[in-house]
This record gives sequence, C-alpha cells and structure tokens, in this order.
Amino acid sequence: AQKITQTQPGMFVQEKEAVTLDCTYDTSDPSYGLFWYKQPSSGEMIFLIYQGSYDQQNATEGRYSLNFQKARKSANLVISASQLGDSAMYFCAMRYGSSNTGKLIFGQGTTLQVKP
Amino acid sequence: DARVTQTPRHKVTEMGQEVTMRCQPILGHNTVFWYRQTMMQGLELLAYFRNRAPLDDSGMPKDRFSAEMPDATLATLKIQPSEPRDSAVYFCASGLQRGGDQETQYFGPGTRLLVL
Repeated sequence: AQKITQTQPGMFVQEKEAVTLDCTYDTSDPSYGLFWYKQPSSGEMIFLIYQGSYDQQNATEGRYSLNFQKARKSANLVISASQLGDSAMYFCAMRYGSSNTGKLIFGQGTTLQVKP
Repeated sequence: DARVTQTPRHKVTEMGQEVTMRCQPILGHNTVFWYRQTMMQGLELLAYFRNRAPLDDSGMPKDRFSAEMPDATLATLKIQPSEPRDSAVYFCASGLQRGGDQETQYFGPGTRLLVL
C-alpha cells in the first residue's frame, strides 16, 4: 500500500534562513511522482514542485528545491531564504498507480511559521 | 492566468438538503479530480474523470454522493441528502494527461461546506 509520512506537524524558521520540510514515502510501484503543495491560511492549494521517480537530478523551482533520496524513500522540500509569505501548511503528495492515473495520496502536512 | 474555478466558495445548509458544487477546469485539461479535506482525514481523493468519463469513484460514499461532467468545462459534485459529517472543504483539481503521463494537478480555491 502507498503511504506518505510528514513527521513534523509544525516548524519555525527565521526570515531569510533556509528550512527543510521532511517527507518519506512508501510504494512498491517502480514509477511514481512526488509533489509539494502549499496551503496558506486562505485555503487554496498551490503547486510548488514535482519530482519524477526516474529523474536523475533534484527538482528546483526558484527558492524551492526537492531533496530526492530514492534509496531512503525521502523527498524533502528545501525552501531557501524564507519569507514571511512562506508561512503556510505544506503538503507532500505522491502520484501512485500507473503514471497515467494521476491519483494522489497526501501526507498530513507541516505547518511552517516564518518569524521576522 | 488560467485557474480552476469553483462555486460556491462557501455553503451552509441543513442536514437532509441537497448540495451541488461546481468546478470549471483549466481550459485544455482533460482530467478532473474531486478531493475532500477534513481535519481528521486530511486530503482524500473522492473521484476523477478523464475526457469526461468517470475513471474512479471508489473514494466516494456511493449512497449519497454523485459526480458528473456534463461537458468539458463543467464538473459537478452532488450530495443528497447531506449530513453533518459531510462538512469539509471540497477541492476540484484539473490536469492534463498526455503521452501516457498524468501531469501536475492544479487546484481550485475549494468549496467550504458546513452541514448543520
């Protein structure tokens, strides 16, 4: 069975510092995808970054990077130079089944607070 | 700036009433997903459609929930009769499946439902 685990319910980071949000996953599928979404207090779900299981390099999108360690089944999100607007809930998700299903399973989320 | 739209954004209703939620996917996307978010269960996939055909609704309570896509620009999720335990945020997401791969899902703002 597929599973996503986010072990940090809440995190604090000082503005302008980097922060790592942890995510581990479990699947027996050879092909899968890993996503991170941000949910601010307004409630919308904002796509941040994607990593495919066969991608050789870690994904990066601006200040976001995904530290993908396949052998450890981890897909941590790194946010560099934190900003006050980064305060939100962050969800790790995995696409499971065949690559064309698109079905996602989500972790429980990590609340990030950026301190001025 | 293409976005998924959902209506209504908020809905308060009484137990036993019918609730209909609507979603307009991003133009050109061929896959639509319905998710439910609660504090206890987190984000759960209810159903999804590709090219307007239902592919999987195993996450949906069959006796009271129904999902349809009358055309490519409209997806609906209906609850009849509604119950207090249906109170949640319902998200619609859309994505594009091509070349055997399902690409990133983009979420709408959600419908916050409260059943009294």
